[in-house]
Amino acid sequence: NAGVTQTPKFRVLKTGQSMTLLCAQDMNHEYMYWYRQDPGMGLRLIHYSVGEGTTAKGEVPDGYNVSRLKKQNFLLGLESAAPSQTSVYFCASKASSHTYEQYFGPGTRLTVT
Amino acid sequence: AQSVTQPDIHITVSEGASLELRCNYSYGATPYLFWYVQSPGQGLQLLLKYFSGDTLVQGIKGFEAEFKRSQSSFNLRKPSVHWSDAAEYFCAVGSSGSARQLTFGSGTQLTVLP
Repeated sequence: NAGVTQTPKFRVLKTGQSMTLLCAQDMNHEYMYWYRQDPGMGLRLIHYSVGEGTTAKGEVPDGYNVSRLKKQNFLLGLESAAPSQTSVYFCASKASSHTYEQYFGPGTRLTVT
Repeated sequence: AQSVTQPDIHITVSEGASLELRCNYSYGATPYLFWYVQSPGQGLQLLLKYFSGDTLVQGIKGFEAEFKRSQSSFNLRKPSVHWSDAAEYFCAVGSSGSARQLTFGSGTQLTVLP
């Protein structure tokens, strides 16, 4: 039981390049989240999904897209990376709408130059 | 909308000393409160949570937190800090909406001196 995994762990992009971050969970959780963590700002919600095939915007969605084609996977895409997207990205999941506890992945450190 | 304030960006304590990390929340109804810990290079791990009932809650790793409604606070405490407690600590409040989202504070970085 791996919990929540994220790939890659580190990535360096040039401005304008695109990439996809993959989050996978093996707990059969309904909800999945993408956060970004910046110094002094805590975790801010980018997008989330309440089930397979659904996505919704969070607090800071601009410049990102997401997809949840399979229940266990939640992809975060950057179509044209900008230096302002340099951050640590965390994926999380939770079982259902009845719970609060989220389980986090180890994070992806992205640098955009 | 709910919000969480962690007034201390960075705290340094000596190993064996007591610890208190402050958290203040803003929420209209009875809050659901959480403390998470993030060790270096790791994701966030739940330390403890408060939903209702006893205002003093116990968590993992010897941590406890006290909910004080009159002060809108949920401070995290540990009587004797270990070097392995060095990490970043996040307080969070849960919304009562259908999605039951979490709103996180900005975090407090804890340094433990030998």
